[in-house]
Amino acid sequence: GESVGLHLPTLSVQEGDNSIINCAYSNSASDYFIWYKQESGKGPQFIIDIRSNMDKRQGQRVTVLLNKTVKHLSLQIAATQPGDSAVYFCAENGGNQFYFGTGTSLTVIP
Amino acid sequence: DAGVTQSPTHLIKTRGQQVTLRCSPISGHKSVSWYQQVLGQGPQFIFQYYEKEERGRGNFPDRFSARQFPNYSSELNVNALLLGDSALYLCASSDRVNYGYTFGSGTRLTVV
Repeated sequence: GESVGLHLPTLSVQEGDNSIINCAYSNSASDYFIWYKQESGKGPQFIIDIRSNMDKRQGQRVTVLLNKTVKHLSLQIAATQPGDSAVYFCAENGGNQFYFGTGTSLTVIP
Repeated sequence: DAGVTQSPTHLIKTRGQQVTLRCSPISGHKSVSWYQQVLGQGPQFIFQYYEKEERGRGNFPDRFSARQFPNYSSELNVNALLLGDSALYLCASSDRVNYGYTFGSGTRLTVV
């Protein structure tokens, strides 16, 4: 099966700083990736996606970078806010399913 | 617009019992997927349905089954419940297969 891993299980940042969450994937044939945010008691919330024909994609305060050479994905959150505290998952498309990593817990310190 | 709705939100069952979980996708979404999320882990794929046909099945025992109805809503059934089936069961819908999913808030199943 696919393997999607995250480098750090927890991350603490000061409010206002930028956050970077990393993700490694194993299948070089994967062509579509999604970042999800999951708050306690809720389902995962779509943040941003990127296809393998792109290296970078920007959204509102978020940027996803894709490095296909080393099979690495990152999510950058600008000016992190307390509401950004959550678990973040990267998901890799594989056939008829998405493979999720374990997640990184982001804590924003006021 | 209503998002993906799941019912019930919480459920407690006894080992050996059977459970049915329900999901209503976003209006217009024809693809529904089910995921199991054990505490502290990422979601794991169980089933995908598109236009009422099963398009994919994850590595789960035959005790797990699902179906999609003509209105694109879906049910997940789990028979002969085990303690290890305790988890958050998530339903997700999309207007296309394997595109960005929208997840519901899930059904928290506890097996005692």
